[in-house]
Amino acid sequence: GAVVSQHPSRVICKSGTSVKIECRSLDFQATTMFWYRQFPKKSLMLMATSNEGSKATYEQGVEKDKFLINHASLTLSTLTVTSAHPEDSSFYICSASGASSLDLNTEAFFGQGTRLTVV
Amino acid sequence: GENVEQHPSTLSVQEGDSAVIKCTYSDSASNYFPWYKQELGKGPQLIIDIRSNVGEKKDQRIAVTLNKTAKHFSLHITETQPEDSAVYFCAASEGTYKYIFGTGTRLKVLA
Repeated sequence: GAVVSQHPSRVICKSGTSVKIECRSLDFQATTMFWYRQFPKKSLMLMATSNEGSKATYEQGVEKDKFLINHASLTLSTLTVTSAHPEDSSFYICSASGASSLDLNTEAFFGQGTRLTVV
Repeated sequence: GENVEQHPSTLSVQEGDSAVIKCTYSDSASNYFPWYKQELGKGPQLIIDIRSNVGEKKDQRIAVTLNKTAKHFSLHITETQPEDSAVYFCAASEGTYKYIFGTGTRLKVLA
């Protein structure tokens, strides 16, 4: 399968600072990328969907000014957690799909996740 | 919107026995059902998937069945091994590559 690389795998930041997480598709062009948040022993919660070159679509309850998403190229999407607070500590996971609207292949590939700890 | 329920939340089996995890979905438009295995501190890894035009799919010790009428699908792992221990998630998608995940099943294979 295709490879999606997420960086960093772990990050610790101080309250009030911002942290950026990168998601790269290494061997395919990702027209769509997804960002998920996962609390301990819980399922993956979709935060937002980003399409290359356009604004991200956020799920209900997700603050777009807090979680800034940029999908500037077909191989890179970034999630920036702004003014981080301890309650933002979580496991963040991205996934990427290279499928177009005409493509019946709906498989998306996941990154390895980023463990964010805000102290 | 789509809602996916998954059972059981935890499952312990003896090594060599079979494990079955079940999921139900609500949106009849869903047509793609992947299963993921997640190990501690890692992202989900696709282990098998099934599309709505197929009722069953098998890959070595892993199989998935789909009942579109009843809107449920199941993961079957035979001859379980300790390395199968992980959290398993089902998901449903209606073709927009947006997955709705189940709540996860923590599988423990006892040696």
